[in-house]
Amino acid sequence: EVQLVESGGGVVRPGGSLRLSCAASGFTFDDYGMSWVRQAPGKGLEWVSGINWNGGSTGYADSVKGRFTISRDNAKNSLFLQMNSLRAEDTALYHCARGRAYSYVDSFHIWGQGTMVTVSS
Amino acid sequence: EIVLTQSPGTLSLSPGERATLSCRASQSVSSSYLAWYQQKPGQAPRLLIYGASSRATGIPDRFSGSGSGTDFTLTISRLEPEDFAVYYCQQYGSSLITFGGGTKVEIK
Repeated sequence: EVQLVESGGGVVRPGGSLRLSCAASGFTFDDYGMSWVRQAPGKGLEWVSGINWNGGSTGYADSVKGRFTISRDNAKNSLFLQMNSLRAEDTALYHCARGRAYSYVDSFHIWGQGTMVTVSS
Repeated sequence: EIVLTQSPGTLSLSPGERATLSCRASQSVSSSYLAWYQQKPGQAPRLLIYGASSRATGIPDRFSGSGSGTDFTLTISRLEPEDFAVYYCQQYGSSLITFGGGTKVEIK
C-alpha cells in the first residue's frame, strides 16, 4: 500500500524550531519529487516547500523562505522539513505529498494525513 | 506568484444536480498545469483532476475538468451525497506552486 506518514509536530514557542519527518512506503521513493503542504485551522491549503527526486532542486513559498529547509534521505525513504524562527502564523497541519514524477513542481497524487504544528507562547 | 481565485465561495445544491466550479488565474497557467482536489472534514485532500482535464486514478467520470490559459472549470455532472465537500484548484505551471481559496459545495 502506498503510504506517507508524517511525524514530529508539536507545540513550540515563537522563535523556536521543529523538525518534521515523513516516512514513505509502498513505492520507489527516489523516483518522485516531494512537497510539504500546510493548512491552518479552518483555512485553505498552502504549498510550503518542495524537493526533486535527488535533492538537487528545491523550492519554497515566500512565507517560509530563509526559515525552513527541506531535505530528503532516499536510503531511508524519508522526507524532512527543518523549521526555524517559527511564528504564530506557521500554526497548521503539515502534510507531505508526492508528485507524479521526478520534479516537485507537480500535482499531488498521494497525501499523508499530516502532523500538527502549534506555535504559541 | 500566480494567484488563483475560486468562485463561488459556497455552492448550495441538491443531490442529482450539476455543479460548476470556477478557478481563475492572475496570469496564464503554463501547459494547463492545473489540478483539482476534494477535501472532506478531517481528511487529507484527494486529487481529482490534473493537467486541467485528466482524471486521477479511481475518480468517477461524473468529475470532469476543462479550461486553459487563465480560466478553468471543474464540473460534477450529477452530485452524489459523498460529493459534498470543499474543492481546491492548484497550479503547478510555475515553480512557486499556489492553491485557490476553495469552493464549498453544500447540501441545499
